Amino acid sequence: DTAVSQTPKYLVTQMGNDKSIKCEQNLGHDTMYWYKQDSKKFLKIMFSYNNKELIINETVPNRFSPKSPDKAHLNLHINSLELGDSAVYFCASSQWQGSYEQYFGPGTRLTVT
Amino acid sequence: AQRVTQPEKLLSVFKGAPVELKCNYSYSGSPELFWYVQYSRQRLQLLLRHISRESIKGFTADLNKGETSFHLKKPFAQEEDSAMYYCALSSGGTSYGKLTFGQGTILTVHP
Repeated sequence: DTAVSQTPKYLVTQMGNDKSIKCEQNLGHDTMYWYKQDSKKFLKIMFSYNNKELIINETVPNRFSPKSPDKAHLNLHINSLELGDSAVYFCASSQWQGSYEQYFGPGTRLTVT
Repeated sequence: AQRVTQPEKLLSVFKGAPVELKCNYSYSGSPELFWYVQYSRQRLQLLLRHISRESIKGFTADLNKGETSFHLKKPFAQEEDSAMYYCALSSGGTSYGKLTFGQGTILTVHP
């Protein structure tokens, strides 16, 4: 009965490849997020979707494309991976857009070699 | 633009000692401030928010608008408090619902 789940947990790939990370929440929340945590543990928002609609899009390279097939899922696709993309990516959800308590997934550690 | 600063990356105290994790923010509007915590092998989770003015696990945090601070305090630290702590700010306007996190502070409580 995991609230926010992410797959895979670990992802090791080579530069130039394309990869996807999946996120699902079973909390019935309307809003979902993607965060990137860098090697210094700095956590920064990338995207936010509310009811499948993109509402926050930070300064993220176009190689990153989120997709929300329904409000329970928010996937992150990354094209042409670069070394600097190595990080831990966290998915989160909140009940609604203005609800500040966010529920986080376990994270996906992406390593680009 | 909003900004959150946690000046201490690492903080070590002994069990029973008081602990204060510092957080300063920069925001032109009226901020909503939060503390999130990540215990070892657990998910990041909300610890407390300033508007509720509550004490969670013995921790309190007071919003000081004059000093633009939201420090997290506990009078007697416990070993189970060892974790990564993030201060976060929520803004309104076009970024409604967006959380801006500080750099995080790793708290270690020694026995």
